Amino acid sequence: AQKITQTQPGMFVQEKEAVTLDCTYDTSDQSYGLFWYKQPSSGEMIFLIYQGSYDEQNATEGRYSLNFQKARKSANLVISASQLGDSAMYFCAMREGLFREYGNKLVFGAGTILRVKS
Amino acid sequence: NAGVTQTPKFRILKIGQSMTLQCTQDMNHNYMYWYRQDPGMGLKLIYYSVGAGITDKGEVPNGYNVSRSTTEDFPLRLELAAPSQTSVYFCASGALANYGYTFGSGTRLTVV
Repeated sequence: AQKITQTQPGMFVQEKEAVTLDCTYDTSDQSYGLFWYKQPSSGEMIFLIYQGSYDEQNATEGRYSLNFQKARKSANLVISASQLGDSAMYFCAMREGLFREYGNKLVFGAGTILRVKS
Repeated sequence: NAGVTQTPKFRILKIGQSMTLQCTQDMNHNYMYWYRQDPGMGLKLIYYSVGAGITDKGEVPNGYNVSRSTTEDFPLRLELAAPSQTSVYFCASGALANYGYTFGSGTRLTVV
């Protein structure tokens, strides 16, 4: 079974509108971490936001928020007030276990390409 | 502060050739990783290291080797290159629980 599933290969959003990128995960660990990365067309990987499995509140970083629904095993990324510079590939990733427990390995989803229209 | 530096940025190899992808970090991170990204796909873990002298296999280690003689350096060796190894290779390092990794800029490798 896929550890991380991103079901939206591509998404379009109008500039200044909000968009939600879906991510579901599969783990039997009680302790884990969830991450979102952005990969622009230039190719670098940029860390956006982190959610720990024991965090009770949804993580937020500027225009990014993570909608964490533990019972549904989903960790959707919400980007508010989209900008043209948000056009990129977005990856959801998971670290199973506690920090340093299994080498901090991240498992990545296949990604979602987001295009922001002006 | 350079972060994670990968060289080369681009390389074309012929089938059967060998090469080493270099990765250096200056953040004193114990944890380092090599991933490959095939076109339109996510990243898959090749090898990782939790400290100098300690390495372990990831999801797709076949055809690769690594070493970690220092905290700073984590080179990836490709022996007998095959077209299936055409990919973008990312080196990463990490030290904080809530930050994930710092990635290098990637090496685009084509095997022909």
